[in-house]
Amino acid sequence: DAGVIQSPRHEVTEMGQEVTLRCKPISGHNSLFWYRQTMMRGLELLIYFNNNVPIDDSGMPEDRFSAKMPNASFSTLKIQPSEPRDSAVYFCASSGGRGGYNEQFFGPGTRLTVL
Amino acid sequence: KNEVEQSPQNLTAQEGEFITINCSYSVGISALHWLQQHPGGGIVSLFMLSSGKKKHGRLIATINIQEKHSSLHITASHPRDSAVYICAVVSNFGNEKLTFGTGTRLTIIP
Repeated sequence: DAGVIQSPRHEVTEMGQEVTLRCKPISGHNSLFWYRQTMMRGLELLIYFNNNVPIDDSGMPEDRFSAKMPNASFSTLKIQPSEPRDSAVYFCASSGGRGGYNEQFFGPGTRLTVL
Repeated sequence: KNEVEQSPQNLTAQEGEFITINCSYSVGISALHWLQQHPGGGIVSLFMLSSGKKKHGRLIATINIQEKHSSLHITASHPRDSAVYICAVVSNFGNEKLTFGTGTRLTIIP
């Protein structure tokens, strides 16, 4: 298995632009997580899907952030408009069970820089 | 005060030394994870446990639910063990998400 796939690996954009991050979970996994990692705040959960349904989006910073999971093999995290404080590494992870009760497999991350 | 505290924040040791990294948490939990983040940034799950002890190769993880404490031990440490080790918990209040510690940066010197 290829593991969790994320694209792009690096993204540099200007403030105000729309950014879309993509994730393909491991086949057969039914939970998908979007995390953000910064030096100041460490790792934080943004949103968690189970069977393609958003279960917990309490970590989504504000209305500029949105996430979708149209099917079991694809999810997107969109930031519109982007701001410099959104600069971070965004990780997608998947697992074969609900929430944090199962081992999670992380993608390589997308390093976002907003100028 | 963070829900999950790790100590030490940084640890430097000589190759071959026995390593202990600690994780304390303030809430009731149903599961605890140990993760390893490589210098290149990739994150790997090492253990998930809710009681007792687990062992994988040179790595051992223990948890004491009553004391709200977990430890990660590395025996016969090697420079390739150099990484950031992150503890994360799942609270038992119906919230299924992981809450992360700030990590322990381990450096093993040859």
